Amino acid sequence: AQKVTQAQTEISVVEKEDVTLDCVYETRDTTYYLFWYKQPPSGELVFLIRRNSFDEQNEISGRYSWNFQKSTSSFNFTITASQVVDSAVYFCALSDGVNRDDKIIFGKGTRLHILP
Amino acid sequence: DAMVIQNPRYQVTQFGKPVTLSCSQTLNHNVMYWYQQKSSQAPKLLFHYYDKDFNNEADTPDNFQSRRPNTSFCFLDIRSPGLGDAAMYLCATSRVTGATNEKLFFGSGTQLSVL
Repeated sequence: AQKVTQAQTEISVVEKEDVTLDCVYETRDTTYYLFWYKQPPSGELVFLIRRNSFDEQNEISGRYSWNFQKSTSSFNFTITASQVVDSAVYFCALSDGVNRDDKIIFGKGTRLHILP
Repeated sequence: DAMVIQNPRYQVTQFGKPVTLSCSQTLNHNVMYWYQQKSSQAPKLLFHYYDKDFNNEADTPDNFQSRRPNTSFCFLDIRSPGLGDAAMYLCATSRVTGATNEKLFFGSGTQLSVL
């Protein structure tokens, strides 16, 4: 069965600190996709990144970086030099389907507070 | 410019009184989804349309229905809202079914209150 676990319910850090959001997933498929979405106070979820199971290269996009490790079934997200605008709920998600009826499973989210 | 638009932003209804939430998209995506998100929880998929093909999640209550009259619009009908249906309802789109590799585009959601 698919499962996404975000063990950190809520995190608070002071602005400019680095922060890592953890994501652990479970799937029996060899082909799957992992996502991170950001949900700011305005409500809409915003896509941040998508990785497929065959690409274990870590990725960096500005202050954001992602560490994908199949050996530990983890897809962690790090924000470097955090800013107040990074305050949001962050969701990790998993899709292990290749059929049109398959779906994305979201974790419960981590609420991140960046304190000025 | 907003690409997935949900109206209204806030909706109040009475217990048992039917309510309809709307979603429109300017992306011409063939897949549209409705998610329910309760406070501090993950979005939960209710159903989705692949073009005109309707796919209902097994655990979605019969109280929830959906219509997609054309590519651009999708509606969520709650026939007899209960107090437990108070939640944020999120509409999303993707070019193909989101379970493969396409990202989802979300609207800002409609916060439903049931009195």
